[in-house]
Amino acid sequence: AQSVTQPDIHITVSEGASLELRCNYSYGATPYLFWYVQSPGQGLQLLLKYFSGDTLVQGIKGFEAEFKRSQSSFNLRKPSVHWSDAAEYFCAVGDGGATNKLIFGTGTLLAVQP
Amino acid sequence: GAVVSQHPSWVICKSGTSVKIECRSLDFQATTMFWYRQFPKQSLMLMATSNEGSKATYEQGVEKDKFLINHASLTLSTLTVTSAHPEDSSFYICSALTLTQEGAQYFGPGTRLLVL
Repeated sequence: AQSVTQPDIHITVSEGASLELRCNYSYGATPYLFWYVQSPGQGLQLLLKYFSGDTLVQGIKGFEAEFKRSQSSFNLRKPSVHWSDAAEYFCAVGDGGATNKLIFGTGTLLAVQP
Repeated sequence: GAVVSQHPSWVICKSGTSVKIECRSLDFQATTMFWYRQFPKQSLMLMATSNEGSKATYEQGVEKDKFLINHASLTLSTLTVTSAHPEDSSFYICSALTLTQEGAQYFGPGTRLLVL
């Protein structure tokens, strides 16, 4: 069965510091991978997605993620964090065709220190 | 592009009443929409998949008679919580599937339901 693990429940970084949020997945075939961000009391905004091709994916707001098949990982990165990046981040895996369902990780809550 | 709206954004109702939540894709057609439920500080739990013109597919453990889903058009899906009880209080989020972005779901802003 598909699953997504986000090992870090909560991360605090200083503004201007680099960020890496971890995501590991379990899926039998080539996965469709997504990162979403959720601000308090809001829905989810798509940051980026990977379906195939270049394993380094660029997204909105300066985020990027790298698909590493050998490590079953899809970590999210940003070189310099802004205070407005404080939010909850969800990694998700989808089957892309059969049902289009998404399986979400438990989320990582990012706090940004001034 | 790919904007999804939900209405209402929040609702308070008495126990035993029914509440309808609308989910609309504003600038694209969505043959498939999804309904999620999110508890505080938890991830999203998929409740059901809504396909235009057909019956919704419910996830295991979700009562289809309690959570009625209607996907009457390519831009509108509704979730009705029937005979709501306090344990139904939650944050309900819908998403719509775009056909042009290979399975990317775009999410509405959510509806917070409080049942008294």
